[in-house]
Amino acid sequence: AQRVTQPEKLLSVFKGAPVELKCNYSYSGSPELFWYVQYSRQRLQLLLRHISRESIKGFTADLNKGETSFHLKKPFAQEEDSAMYYCALSGSSNTGKLIFGQGTTLQVKP
Amino acid sequence: DAGVTQSPTHLIKTRGQQVTLRCSPKSGHDTVSWYQQALGQGPQFIFQYYEEEERQRGNFPDRFSGHQFPNYSSELNVNALLLGDSALYLCASSPRDRDVSPLHFGNGTRLTVT
Repeated sequence: AQRVTQPEKLLSVFKGAPVELKCNYSYSGSPELFWYVQYSRQRLQLLLRHISRESIKGFTADLNKGETSFHLKKPFAQEEDSAMYYCALSGSSNTGKLIFGQGTTLQVKP
Repeated sequence: DAGVTQSPTHLIKTRGQQVTLRCSPKSGHDTVSWYQQALGQGPQFIFQYYEEEERQRGNFPDRFSGHQFPNYSSELNVNALLLGDSALYLCASSPRDRDVSPLHFGNGTRLTVT
């Protein structure tokens, strides 16, 4: 079964601390993995995708096929990083069908 | 560029009624996908439209149907509403001529079924 699991509903850290939002997936083929973010009162938007191998707003994520994970990391959290983060999987190219995890709320305290 | 626009923003319906939600894709996008997001959950894929046809469908009953118009805008229709249909309905658009195009989401329509 295709599934995305985000084990933490809430992650609370202090400003300047490292952040790791966990994402594990279950998929039999070669998926594309994404992180989407929703800031307060804003729409859901793409943060990064594994095929781009970019660092966006200081966040990075490495696809580990052996562990079927795509954890999101940032070395030093900022208060403006506080948001809801969703890990998502796409099973084939050129598709609007994403499988989302349940989301993790990141709270960065001053 | 207004991005993806959805209407209405909020809607209250009674069980058994029918509802139509509307979506205009981002300029330059021809593919529209619909998602249902229940409280505390991630979005769940309902279906995708391009070239005015349903191309992919998630695990939703036939009470959920849609339509895409020649201008790429789309409607989501839900018949015989159940209390469990209460959710945020998200529309997302993308261009079809790119590999694994990232989706652009609208702000959603909050549907409450009483």
